[in-house]
Amino acid sequence: QVQLVQSGAEVEKPGASVKVSCKTSGYAFINYHIHWVRQAPGQGLEWMGLIRSNGGHTQYAPNFQGRVTMTRDTSTATVYMELSNIRSEDTAVYYCGRELDLTFFFDYWGQGTPVTVSS
Amino acid sequence: QSALTQPASVSGSPGQSITISCTGTSSDVGAYNSVSWYQQHAGKAPKVIIYDVSSRPSGVSNRFSGSKSANTASLTISGLQAEDEADYFCCSYTRSYTYVFGTVTKVTVL
Repeated sequence: QVQLVQSGAEVEKPGASVKVSCKTSGYAFINYHIHWVRQAPGQGLEWMGLIRSNGGHTQYAPNFQGRVTMTRDTSTATVYMELSNIRSEDTAVYYCGRELDLTFFFDYWGQGTPVTVSS
Repeated sequence: QSALTQPASVSGSPGQSITISCTGTSSDVGAYNSVSWYQQHAGKAPKVIIYDVSSRPSGVSNRFSGSKSANTASLTISGLQAEDEADYFCCSYTRSYTYVFGTVTKVTVL
């Protein structure tokens, strides 16, 4: 069955970087884009960007441009999201989600990774 | 990109119908039929319940339906049940090749 399994909770200090992984299984990895979405405590969802199925090209939301890097390892079907220079406002649950090319919605999601930024 | 506008809360009694609106602009909701809706129970990951404005994924109850008029999309839950109590979000693809979500709507079953 399709699974997106994310890495565990992280606690980091302001100014540091955090890297979250999303290991996929149960489907053809290279046929689906992987998106990253975050949810601050008590808030709505915020789209951060995606890494495309074809060639691994990335596209980032303007709010995160310059601070986020999404990469993938096709040999392990794992996608990574690294956010740098983090601040307290980056405290959130980070989700990865899958999209079949040109369908424009996310049909499977990871379980979420809580990231806490605290000095 | 500003978040799409949803009501903060909607409530209804079991068996009733409720509708959640999702208002954007001609650059997102009004631009394409690429609006999706997600249900999120407390502490869980979101689950898609509507895509392409009005299509339902396999396994999703037909009590959920979607529509769109101009820059506003809507989700209707008919025959409200206790299990429908959750947070709901809309999402739209945009002309900037990005995605934007709505503000959260908390549905309460009275």
